Amino acid sequence: EDQVTQSPEALRLQEGESSSLNCSYTVSGLRGLFWYRQDPGKGPEFLFTLYSAGEEKEKERLKATLTKKESFLHITAPKPEDSATYLCAVLGGGSNYKLTFGKGTLLTVNP
Amino acid sequence: EPEVTQTPSHQVTQMGQEVILRCVPISNHLYFYWYRQILGQKVEFLVSFYNNEISEKSEIFDDQFSVERPDGSNFTLKIRSTKLEDSAMYFCASKPGTSNQPQHFGDGTRLSIL
Repeated sequence: EDQVTQSPEALRLQEGESSSLNCSYTVSGLRGLFWYRQDPGKGPEFLFTLYSAGEEKEKERLKATLTKKESFLHITAPKPEDSATYLCAVLGGGSNYKLTFGKGTLLTVNP
Repeated sequence: EPEVTQTPSHQVTQMGQEVILRCVPISNHLYFYWYRQILGQKVEFLVSFYNNEISEKSEIFDDQFSVERPDGSNFTLKIRSTKLEDSAMYFCASKPGTSNQPQHFGDGTRLSIL
C-alpha cells in the first residue's frame, strides 16, 4: 500500500526566511508525485508534478525536487500570502487513478 | 481558467437521510474522482470514474455510495443512508485523458450529519 509522510506538521517562518518542507513516500512504481496548496475551506490547488528522481520544478518562490524516497518543497524568501497547507500526493504503479495524500504541512509566514 | 465547481458548499442532513453531492468537472476532462477529508485527517480517495463506469474504488466506497454522470456535464455522489461518520469535506476532481496528468479539485462540499 502506498504511503506518504510529510514533515514538519506545522512550520512558522518570518517573511523572507527560506525553508523546506519534506515529503517521504513508499510506493510500488512511482508514476507521479504531486504538490498541492490548500487554503482554509478550499480544495487542493495544483502546484507541481514530478515524475522521476532528479527532476526539479519551479514556480515563483517555490521549487520542488524529487529523489527516490522523498520530495522537498523549497520556499525562498516567503511572503505572508504563501501561508497555506501544502499537500504531497503520489500516484503509484498499483493504480491508474488513486492519489494517496500525506497529512500536509501547515505553513504560516509572519510579516 | 477552467475550474471544477461543486454544489452545495455546505449540506446539513439528518442521519439516515439520502444526500446527493454535485460536481461540474472541467469540460474537456475524461476522468472524474471523489475524495473526502475528515476534519484534521488526510484527503482520502473514494472512487474514480471513466468512460461511464467506475474504474476504481476504495474500501470506504461501500454499497451506501454511488456515483453517476447523468448528463454531459454533471457528476454526482450519492450517499443512500447517511451515518454520523460520513461527516467530512467531499472533494470532486477531474483530469484530462493522460493517466499521469494532475487531478484538479473543486472547493468541496462540507457535509454535516446530525
